[in-house]
Amino acid sequence: GAVVSQHPSWVICKSGTSVKIECRSLDFQATTMFWYRQFPKQSLMLMATSNEGSKATYEQGVEKDKFLINHASLTLSTLTVTSAHPEDSSFYICSAYNLGITGELFFGEGSRLTVL
Amino acid sequence: AQSVTQLDSHVSVSEGTPVLLRCNYSSSYSPSLFWYVQHPNKGLQLLLKYTSAATLVKGINGFEAEFKKSETSFHLTKPSAHMSDAAEYFCVVSDRRGTALIFGKGTTLSVSS
Repeated sequence: GAVVSQHPSWVICKSGTSVKIECRSLDFQATTMFWYRQFPKQSLMLMATSNEGSKATYEQGVEKDKFLINHASLTLSTLTVTSAHPEDSSFYICSAYNLGITGELFFGEGSRLTVL
Repeated sequence: AQSVTQLDSHVSVSEGTPVLLRCNYSSSYSPSLFWYVQHPNKGLQLLLKYTSAATLVKGINGFEAEFKKSETSFHLTKPSAHMSDAAEYFCVVSDRRGTALIFGKGTTLSVSS
């Protein structure tokens, strides 16, 4: 089946640094990918919709300059947390929409970011 | 506007007994509905999906869900719980474009021996 891979699965960084998280669709092309954030023991919150070749669409309340999204190819979207602070520590999950399977999203394993 | 409501934040069952996780939806479109499971510190795994075909949907690991339009429900069931079923379960509604806009708040399933 379709697989979405995220890297890294866990990253620890110092406050003030920037961290890039990759989301790859391994066996299908994804014109649209989604980035979610999940706080401990809470549900997933949609942060942004990443569209290949165009600017991402951010949900209300999500700082686009803080969370930079680039969808440069049909199989790769990246989320860069810029100037990370401890409150950015979270579980970030991406999903990709498989055009071949109507309405089906495939999720990555998630990336845990810990900012010290 | 679309939304899902998971009626129970926590469900506890004994191993071998039935599981029922409840979900009600609200959608202005004919919805696609999903159940996902998340084990601790893991990503999401699709259990099953409804996309306007059969109203009784069978998923992986013995789970199934029934789409009831008259009740706007999509409850998840399993006849016999296993210890490995303990996890967080999310009900999700998306529109036909495939944008998973709304996640339920999740139901934590605990299974005791």
